[in-house]
Amino acid sequence: NAGVTQTPKFQVLKTGQSMTLQCAQDMNHNSMYWYRQDPGMGLRLIYYSASEGTTDKGEVPNGYNVSRLNKREFSLRLESAAPSQTSVYFCASSSGTGFGGELFFGEGSRLTVL
Amino acid sequence: EDQVTQSPEALRLQEGESSSLNCSYTVSGLRGLFWYRQDPGKGPEFLFTLYSAGEEKEKERLKATLTKKESFLHITAPKPEDSATYLCAVQRTNQAGTALIFGKGTTLSVSS
Repeated sequence: NAGVTQTPKFQVLKTGQSMTLQCAQDMNHNSMYWYRQDPGMGLRLIYYSASEGTTDKGEVPNGYNVSRLNKREFSLRLESAAPSQTSVYFCASSSGTGFGGELFFGEGSRLTVL
Repeated sequence: EDQVTQSPEALRLQEGESSSLNCSYTVSGLRGLFWYRQDPGKGPEFLFTLYSAGEEKEKERLKATLTKKESFLHITAPKPEDSATYLCAVQRTNQAGTALIFGKGTTLSVSS
């Protein structure tokens, strides 16, 4: 039982390049989330999906797009990376179809944009 | 404005030296308060949920309590393996919707 799996774990991009962060959960959870964590800022919500087929913007959605591919998978895409998007990205999931509080997190994807 | 503030930012303890971490909040429509533990290079790991003032939860050397304005995470006789960053998050529901607001965390270091 892997829980929440994120790929890649590390990535270096040049400004303007695009990439997709992948996330999959095997807990049959309905809700999935993407957060970013920056020093001194805490965890900030980028996008979330309360159920398969729905996505909503969080606190810091600009520069990102998401796709809820199916119940298990929720991807985050950076279309044109900027240095301000250098961060650690966490995917999380929770049971229920609303915005949960008991979240299960992946181990993170560390992104550097040069 | 909804706000979650954790203090202190960093705490150094000797093994066995008990202490408390604080999480104060100002939100409208509190639904629950959550504590997480985060080890370096890892994702946060859920610890406790508290829903109402007066509620307490315990797990090993940790005990979380909740009042109307703040929560405490009490650590009794800590061990070096308790070293981590502890995050507090508040779930609120109001006319703006439901959100989970994280504090910036307290980094705990326990030395033997």
